[in-house]
Amino acid sequence: NAGVMQNPRHLVRRRGQEARLRCSPMKGHSHVYWYRQLPEEGLKFMVYLQKENIIDESGMPKERFSAEFPKEGPSILRIQQVVRGDSAAYFCASSRGPTVTHQPQHFGDGTRLSIL
Amino acid sequence: DAKTTQPPSMDCAEGRAANLPCNHSTISGNEYVYWYRQIHSQGPQYIIHGLKNNETNEMASLIITEDRKSSTLILPHATLRDTAVYYCIVSRSAGGTSYGKLTFGQGTILTVHP
Repeated sequence: NAGVMQNPRHLVRRRGQEARLRCSPMKGHSHVYWYRQLPEEGLKFMVYLQKENIIDESGMPKERFSAEFPKEGPSILRIQQVVRGDSAAYFCASSRGPTVTHQPQHFGDGTRLSIL
Repeated sequence: DAKTTQPPSMDCAEGRAANLPCNHSTISGNEYVYWYRQIHSQGPQYIIHGLKNNETNEMASLIITEDRKSSTLILPHATLRDTAVYYCIVSRSAGGTSYGKLTFGQGTILTVHP
């Protein structure tokens, strides 16, 4: 069974450009979560989505960041007008149900975003 | 959201059992204990979770004290590939908009030596 697939693995952007990070959840999983790990820091929750709905975006920066999980296709984390501080590893996780139902989240290997 | 406390680092000899402790004294009755690990440059890997009974799977065992205020993750025969940061996480209880979130602390850096 394929795990959570993230692409690209590495992404380089210049300041002011847009970054699009993709996440395909595991088969049968309809819940997707995005986390960010800044250099030398722990993972921080960003957003939780279920198909076509944002359930919790309490960890998302208010500006420039958006996420979607359409009915068809992967989940997308979009960062507009990137700045140097956006350089980080972005991890996606998926689960069959929300954590409250105690279905564990399974993570992809992340996208390393570097801003020049 | 129950807070967890873990030692910052631990060492273990290859082939020996690695016992990683975690304190979660404010855990509430319907919160589970989850363990994940992150090997350098990879995504976090789910290991095991439990509520109050001890749990075992192909990777590890989880021992939860009777009062549920602490737990221990046991890797029975550690290998060099078990060197990683291990995170103990208490899940949020039901309700509210943040119930999907996992809150990662600093974890324990486990180093397995030859």
